[in-house]
Amino acid sequence: GQNIDQPTEMTATEGAIVQINCTYQTSGFNGLFWYQQHAGEAPTFLSYNVLDGLEEKGRFSSFLSRSKGYSYLLLKELQMKDSASYLCAVGVSGGYNKLIFGAGTRLAVHP
Amino acid sequence: GAVVSQHPSRVICKSGTSVKIECRSLDFQATTMFWYRQFPKQSLMLMATSNEGSKATYEQGVEKDKFLINHASLTLSTLTVTSAHPEDSSFYICSARDRRGGSWETQYFGPGTRLLVL
Repeated sequence: GQNIDQPTEMTATEGAIVQINCTYQTSGFNGLFWYQQHAGEAPTFLSYNVLDGLEEKGRFSSFLSRSKGYSYLLLKELQMKDSASYLCAVGVSGGYNKLIFGAGTRLAVHP
Repeated sequence: GAVVSQHPSRVICKSGTSVKIECRSLDFQATTMFWYRQFPKQSLMLMATSNEGSKATYEQGVEKDKFLINHASLTLSTLTVTSAHPEDSSFYICSARDRRGGSWETQYFGPGTRLLVL
């Protein structure tokens, strides 16, 4: 089966750094994705890790450890507009490659 | 950038009626499209994978006779919620994979359709 865990909610202060963790247990693992989703909108792609290590993209970085089934999304210099849900998703290979999403972490950024 | 549209953006219908939602890739061809459902404060749940010219592949627990999927062309997939009930009220999101790219990043999400069944 597939199991993806991430914290339900987090709060942080504007300008600070926050790390959102995700652990997973899946078969047919084919990469780890992070998406941002504002309320009532579709998810937007943030990052994709298929190899171990850190991928940096501006204020956002994502880390993957395949042996530990663990990833995190690091957000630096937080802005109010970063208040959103952050979805961890695992790419699963098979007949049709597909994404399995975690429940999401709602991040609230305060002044 | 690649754009995926959904129509309608929101729909209200009476219990027992059927509702069709369209998902279109506007500037690329998509051999594969995915349909998700999202309840309030929950994550996206994959319902089915839609492939052009073949039957959709449904996830476990999703009734294929209730959620009819038709991938009629390389740019259009439709989801029909048949005999809708209030518990079907949800946010339905599609995504499309660009046939030219093998990368996961070439999967693009539509803006979603909010369905309310009275």
